[in-house]
This record gives sequence, C-alpha cells and structure tokens, in this order.
Amino acid sequence: AQSVTQLDSQVPVFEEAPVELRCNYSSSVSVYLFWYVQYPNQGLQLLLKYLSGSTLVKGINGFEAEFNKSQTSFHLRKPSVHISDTAEYFCAVSEYNQGGKLIFGQGTELSVKP
Amino acid sequence: ETGVTQTPRHLVMGMTNKKSLKCEQHLGHNAMYWYKQSAKKPLELMFVYNFKEQTENNSVPSRFSPECPNSSHLFLHLHTLQPEDSALYLCASSSLVVNTEAFFGQGTRLTVV
Repeated sequence: AQSVTQLDSQVPVFEEAPVELRCNYSSSVSVYLFWYVQYPNQGLQLLLKYLSGSTLVKGINGFEAEFNKSQTSFHLRKPSVHISDTAEYFCAVSEYNQGGKLIFGQGTELSVKP
Repeated sequence: ETGVTQTPRHLVMGMTNKKSLKCEQHLGHNAMYWYKQSAKKPLELMFVYNFKEQTENNSVPSRFSPECPNSSHLFLHLHTLQPEDSALYLCASSSLVVNTEAFFGQGTRLTVV
C-alpha cells in the first residue's frame, strides 16, 4: 500500500519569492508521482508528473519537482510565485500503470501575498 | 465539449431525497473513477470502473450507488444520505492502455441538509 504525507498544511509567501511545497511518500512497489492544483470551486488540474527517467520534472506555470528515491520525496518548487498561484496543491501517488487510481496527501494551501 | 464534465455543479438535498450525479468524458478513455473530497480529509477514491465494469469499491456505504452504462458516462446515485456525506464529489477518467494520468471534472458540491 502507498501513502503520501504533505509536510505543510499552509504556506504563506510573498509575491515573487521562491516557494517549496514538501511531499514524502511510502510504497513497496514502483510508483508514479503527481502534483495537482485546485483553485477555489474547481476540480483538479495536473501540474506535473514523474513516471520514470530524469528525476527533475518540469510542469505548467513554471513549477518543477524533483524525485528523490532515497529520501522518498517529491517536493514541488517555483522560483518566483505570483498572486495567481494562490490555490491548494495536492501530491499524489499511484502504482505503475495505474495513473487513475491515486492516493493523495492532505493538501497544502499556498497563499501568495502582495 | 471537451474533457470531463460533471453535472450538476451544486446540489442541496434532504436526507430522504434521491438524486444522481452525472459525469461524462469526451477523451476516449475506458476507465472512470469517483473521488470524494471532504473538508479536512484527503481525497478518497470511492469507485473504479474499467470498460464499464466495477473493479473497485473502497468500502463505500450502500447509500452511494454507482452506475456506468458505457465508457463515457458515469453516475452516482444517492439516497438516504447523512449530513457527513456533504463533500465535493469528483469524477475522473484515464486511459487503460497508457494509464499515466487521471483527468478530473470540476466536481459536484453536495450539501446534505
């Protein structure tokens, strides 16, 4: 079985500052890793995913994440955030070739202040 | 229309009512899912359908009854719900050939009164 832990429930940050949202996972099998974003009253939008290969994954809206197998982490980063990045961010894991069956973390609320 | 569409977007129902949530995907996928997003809890997978057949039910109470008449449509029939069932219900779909990503609808915000 897999599990996901997002280490921060809320992250306040000023506009144009860098941000890192932390995610650790546990699994006894090979997994895919995902970051989704949810804007108020919306569904989930995929930011980026790690399937295999290069451990640095680039996604939409300037976000990137690094897969670290030894530390079982998949932290999300952005070098300079905008007000429009204010949203809830979810880290998720699935088994290999089971990308629709996701185990989610609790979510991290990113609040970007002017 | 494109992507995954859910209707209605908002629903208020009494505990004795019967209602249904609808999901339609226009992506040519053959797997569909219901997820529940409650306040203060992680998103939970409720049901999985592959090629219209239910392959997973994650201990969901029988007052939630899914139906998948074809690979493009998924319903969640609701009856005798409790206030704690109030949540955002999200539908998703994926390909079974290259199952590397789920595509989500906008969700139905359900309030049980």
